[in-house]
Amino acid sequence: DQQVKQNSPSLSVQEGRISILNCDYTNSMFDYFLWYKKYPAEGPTFLISISSIKDKNEDGRFTVFLNKSAKHLSLHIVPSQPGDSAVYFCAASAQGAQKLVFGQGTRLTINP
Amino acid sequence: NAGVTQTPKFRILKIGQSMTLQCTQDMNHNYMYWYRQDPGMGLKLIYYSVGAGITDKGEVPNGYNVSRSTTEDFPLRLELAAPSQTSVYFCASTPRGAGGRFSYEQYFGPGTRLTVT
Repeated sequence: DQQVKQNSPSLSVQEGRISILNCDYTNSMFDYFLWYKKYPAEGPTFLISISSIKDKNEDGRFTVFLNKSAKHLSLHIVPSQPGDSAVYFCAASAQGAQKLVFGQGTRLTINP
Repeated sequence: NAGVTQTPKFRILKIGQSMTLQCTQDMNHNYMYWYRQDPGMGLKLIYYSVGAGITDKGEVPNGYNVSRSTTEDFPLRLELAAPSQTSVYFCASTPRGAGGRFSYEQYFGPGTRLTVT
């Protein structure tokens, strides 16, 4: 029962272009969503989040979009840089749950 | 602050052996978590704790035990190690947010890579 799904295991993007990472969820009780970035041999680090009362949140080159009716969120990185090459995890939480449910991750590779 | 620290970084266990993975955080965070990450998979929650003396099961608790006697430490115990427990283990912590509510952002340690053969 995968409640948070990232259907693309990998994505390759040219430097300077836009990277779009997608995430779908099934649990309608989820009301807060996060993206984490993970480099090899390190723990994940928080990147950006969005509450279900919003449909967009922006932080520098990173923007997260939430489509509640489709139960879908996406992370846009513009422009993509070589240092963005990492595995990106989508995560979600339901109000009062005090824990996160993670997707499988998408490996993003930025090509020079 | 050192953040979240985990020891050891690597460990090889024989089937049936036991070990404890250590996790310590120096940020006075209330919430602490143990995850495992298998190749090509996301992070699966093993156990979590909302404060000293309180623990609860996550998605995949079988074969593991935890305790939380202090705010800082949250060790994970593997009894009778099995090859299925070969994985990378991450510990994470979260502070209490505004108004005492749960703060969603989790801070992760660097992980422990465990191999059971």
